[in-house]
Amino acid sequence: EVQLVESGGGLVQPGRSLRLSCTASGFTFPDHAMSWVRQAPGKGLEWVGFISSNPFGGTTEYAASVKGRFTISRDDSRTIAYLRMNSLKTEDTAVYYCTAGELLPFDFWGQGTLVTVSS
Amino acid sequence: QAVVTQEPSLTVSPGGTVTLTCGSSTGAVTSGHSPYWFQQKPGQAPRTLIYDTTNRHSWTPARFSGSLLGGKAALTLSGAQPEDEADYFCLLSYSGDSYVFGPGTKVTVL
Repeated sequence: EVQLVESGGGLVQPGRSLRLSCTASGFTFPDHAMSWVRQAPGKGLEWVGFISSNPFGGTTEYAASVKGRFTISRDDSRTIAYLRMNSLKTEDTAVYYCTAGELLPFDFWGQGTLVTVSS
Repeated sequence: QAVVTQEPSLTVSPGGTVTLTCGSSTGAVTSGHSPYWFQQKPGQAPRTLIYDTTNRHSWTPARFSGSLLGGKAALTLSGAQPEDEADYFCLLSYSGDSYVFGPGTKVTVL
């Protein structure tokens, strides 16, 4: 059974940093691209960024709204993907979902972790 | 950045058929946009129904089907069930390195 479990969310002040983790199981992690998607309270889904599988170079791409502030990385040996968020803004408040897929990284979803940016 | 469009809301009768569409501000949606469709029920994480335009996952009920229709991606629900009441989001890929979600369609089964 595929499982994606996000952790690391919580309350953080504007301008501070936070790192989210996504622990994966039930599939061949190194062969899958990973992505982060967020959903602000009562709003729709927003793609944040992705990291390709290592056979495809482990390359990263980001949405314009987070580029330069957020960084995605992966540890294939531990089957964990990370989202490092710097210079957080109040508009970054959202539930952050980890997703995975063999072609595009959107086949499997975690349950999400809530990040609240507030003073 | 491209803007993806969806109907805000649709209503379908139990057992009826409804088609949701997903358009792009850049022009016609093609298979090159690798359209995905997701279902989200209140308080739950989204789950993927359709990938790469037409493909169902093993957990996707057969009553859901994906296609291209009139320059848009489409999700058709045939034989709607009460449990299909949910928000449905589409996703389009742009140049393989950028992804945009639609705003979602709220489907009511009534």
